[in-house]
Amino acid sequence: SAVISQKPSRDICQRGTSLTIQCQVDSQVTMMFWYRQQPGQSLTLIATANQGSEATYESGFVIDKFPISRPNLTFSTLTVSNMSPEDSSIYLCSVTSGRANTGELFFGEGSRLTVL
Amino acid sequence: EDQVTQSPEALRLQEGESSSLNCSYTVSGLRGLFWYRQDPGKGPEFLFTLYSAGEEKEKERLKATLTKKESFLHITAPKPEDSATYLCAVQAAGSYIPTFGRGTSLIVHP
Repeated sequence: SAVISQKPSRDICQRGTSLTIQCQVDSQVTMMFWYRQQPGQSLTLIATANQGSEATYESGFVIDKFPISRPNLTFSTLTVSNMSPEDSSIYLCSVTSGRANTGELFFGEGSRLTVL
Repeated sequence: EDQVTQSPEALRLQEGESSSLNCSYTVSGLRGLFWYRQDPGKGPEFLFTLYSAGEEKEKERLKATLTKKESFLHITAPKPEDSATYLCAVQAAGSYIPTFGRGTSLIVHP
């Protein structure tokens, strides 16, 4: 199993600012994902972080708002740009288990952002 | 579009009182159905994968079952440490990512 560390674990931010969340995995992984979990809502995939190329974004999410970096096979960052209170959420980094089925995921403990 | 509906939204049980959580799904060709457990302040933790109708998986007091339209997570004689939110997700054939439901929040009282 992979151990995933996320920083920060929580933060309170001002409207209009940006925050970068870091995700470090203890082993090399091919696929890394960024999810958003809003209160009372399901986990929603923001994007797949690709090593050496641009991230693949899901419908409703754009690179200008959620730029992602993936410099190597163990690390990724997600930036939430020009934040508004609607961006208050838990952001989760995840990786596949390495087995054939990519629906089996390991998750970090999440970064809880509150935007005032 | 793949859809996952979990019920109930919240469930309170007394210790030892067995019950079931439901996950109804609509997917164009099921590649896998997944159950996760999420504790407060933590990320989800993978529990089971089910692939086809009739399949069952067990882990301690939990048993997951699957039909063509829904999955159940049966909790037998639960303990307070089973309190958590349980998430269901489905993955369609040809997709590499799962679609998650909103979860069932389970509280087990001693």
